[in-house]
Amino acid sequence: AQSVTQLDSQVPVFEEAPVELRCNYSSSVSVYLFWYVQYPNQGLQLLLKYLSGSTLVKGINGFEAEFNKSQTSFHLRKPSVHISDTAEYFCAVSEVDTGRRALTFGSGTRLQVQP
Amino acid sequence: GAGVSQSPSNKVTEKGKDVELRCDPISGHTALYWYRQRLGQGLEFLIYFQGNSAPDKSGLPSDRFSAERTGESVSTLTIQRTQQEDSAVYLCASSHTQGIYNSPLHFGNGTRLTVT
Repeated sequence: AQSVTQLDSQVPVFEEAPVELRCNYSSSVSVYLFWYVQYPNQGLQLLLKYLSGSTLVKGINGFEAEFNKSQTSFHLRKPSVHISDTAEYFCAVSEVDTGRRALTFGSGTRLQVQP
Repeated sequence: GAGVSQSPSNKVTEKGKDVELRCDPISGHTALYWYRQRLGQGLEFLIYFQGNSAPDKSGLPSDRFSAERTGESVSTLTIQRTQQEDSAVYLCASSHTQGIYNSPLHFGNGTRLTVT
């Protein structure tokens, strides 16, 4: 079984400031890692994913995340946020090579970018 | 259509009534998933369809919950004898292939179910 913890339910930040949204996971097997974003009044969409290879992955809209196996973390970062980044962000994991298709999601972090 | 469509967008029902939630996936997407999100919590997996078969139903919380899919199209999630703890946003997602690793999930806007 897996679990995903997003410790920060809300993160307020000023426009053009850097931001880090934290994600930690636990799993008895290897995992793939994802970040999804939900803009106001829209469905969730994939922001980025880590499957293998380089531990630093880049996604849409200038976001990036780094997989740290020893710390079981996959934190999301952006060096300079915009008002339009205001949204809810979900970290998710899935099992590798078990055939199970379901994603396990964290409870989400609401990013509020203020002018 | 352009995206995953779910109906109704909001549903208020009395405890003990049955409800049916509908999902229209993106045309051509063979995989379809149902999740639910209770207030302040993460998304909980309910069931996964590949075509019209459901190889993973492990997330359905009780036998009051059932789902079906006709062909590679519409899916309905039925909750019988609704309870207050069923109140949540029910999300549907579809993807182009079996592999969620290479084909991202496309989510609908969800159905907000409130059981009074």
